[in-house]
Amino acid sequence: DGGITQSPKYLFRKEGQNVTLSCEQNLNHDAMYWYRQDPGQGLRLIYYSQIVNDFQKGDIAEGYSVSREKKESFPLTVTSAQKNPTAFYLCASEPGQGAGSPLHFGNGTRLTVT
Amino acid sequence: DAKTTQPNSMESNEEEPVHLPCNHSTISGTDYIHWYRQLPSQGPEYVIHGLTSNVNNRMASLAIAEDRKSSTLILHRATLRDAAVYYCILRDWDSSYKLIFGSGTRLLVRP
Repeated sequence: DGGITQSPKYLFRKEGQNVTLSCEQNLNHDAMYWYRQDPGQGLRLIYYSQIVNDFQKGDIAEGYSVSREKKESFPLTVTSAQKNPTAFYLCASEPGQGAGSPLHFGNGTRLTVT
Repeated sequence: DAKTTQPNSMESNEEEPVHLPCNHSTISGTDYIHWYRQLPSQGPEYVIHGLTSNVNNRMASLAIAEDRKSSTLILHRATLRDAAVYYCILRDWDSSYKLIFGSGTRLLVRP
């Protein structure tokens, strides 16, 4: 079955440590996204990538970094510079055909930093 | 970026139709209207999208006002599994990668 896999489902880290969240898709999609969701809130865009080896900052990119070396993979690193890293992180992908195509989401990684 | 306005919550009885409204008075001619829903601790799930005409699929129907300043997601027979947060978002063709998700509508379904 095609889909998006985010791992791990739950992640715990100490403050001051960098942590990398995995996102893999086997849908052959060009575009991939990272969103952050806080309790009771909507999704906020962190980074997006329209094509391999290219990515753009979203609305809340500070304290985060990404890479897109392969079409299938779009890992997100939460750095120690991110002031409030505890959140639910969602990865999404789409064919990259523009506004008429739907996004496919993974089931998220819940990161807790203490 | 065009924004959407949705009620914070709605309630419905099981087996009855549900009409979830969304206002988007600043919509532009190239904005697509998308609906997603999210169950607790899961990623959002695509429901339906449209541009100008009403749309139907196996999950729901989307009714778009003639002036496109509002739309309504219709669940024809609500089930307990339809209880979720429903997001109405606009996707602009020019900047289609910057989806803006609001707080959505939390739908409660009573058995």
